[in-house]
Amino acid sequence: AQSVTQPDIHITVSEGASLELRCNYSYGATPYLFWYVQSPGQGLQLLLKYFSGDTLVQGIKGFEAEFKRSQSSFNLRKPSVHWSDAAEYFCAVGARGGSYIPTFGRGTSLIVHP
Amino acid sequence: KAGVTQTPRYLIKTRGQQVTLSCSPISGHRSVSWYQQTPGQGLQFLFEYFSETQRNKGNFPGRFSGRQFSNSRSEMNVSTLELGDSALYLCASSLGGFQGSDGYTFGSGTRLTVV
Repeated sequence: AQSVTQPDIHITVSEGASLELRCNYSYGATPYLFWYVQSPGQGLQLLLKYFSGDTLVQGIKGFEAEFKRSQSSFNLRKPSVHWSDAAEYFCAVGARGGSYIPTFGRGTSLIVHP
Repeated sequence: KAGVTQTPRYLIKTRGQQVTLSCSPISGHRSVSWYQQTPGQGLQFLFEYFSETQRNKGNFPGRFSGRQFSNSRSEMNVSTLELGDSALYLCASSLGGFQGSDGYTFGSGTRLTVV
């Protein structure tokens, strides 16, 4: 079965600074990988997804993520954070065989200082 | 297009009661999955329905059940509520295509409080 780890529970950045949220996964083959964002009191919104091909994936709201097979990582990045990016971010990994239900990480809470 | 609609948004129930939550997926989406989100356990998968059939099930007791109708709308039911069932219940719809690769569209959730 697959698993996913988001090592950082909280990340604090200043508005305008760059951002990188870490995600490490465990799976025997190349998984499907997703990043979701959740604003307070809301459901999750899909930011981007990786299936195959180009390892650098562009998403919505100016986010991108890079799949690194050698490091089993799929880190989320943004060059300049806006105050509205403050939210909870979830990485998810889906298997390519058997039960494909994605497994979600515990989330990283992003705090943005003005 | 309309998003995923969950009703009600908020619910307060007493221990021992039962509750039914509703989810209307995006038009054309045939898969509906349910998740329970709590601060302690994070997002936990309950079950997935595809074309009116339960296709996958998580590790929850039998008190948690669901169904899907021919128009893809889904309901989940929790019987004999316990305090620990207090959570945000999220519905996620997808096309249900090849091995879930299309990603989810989530509803805003139903906040259930059991007192």
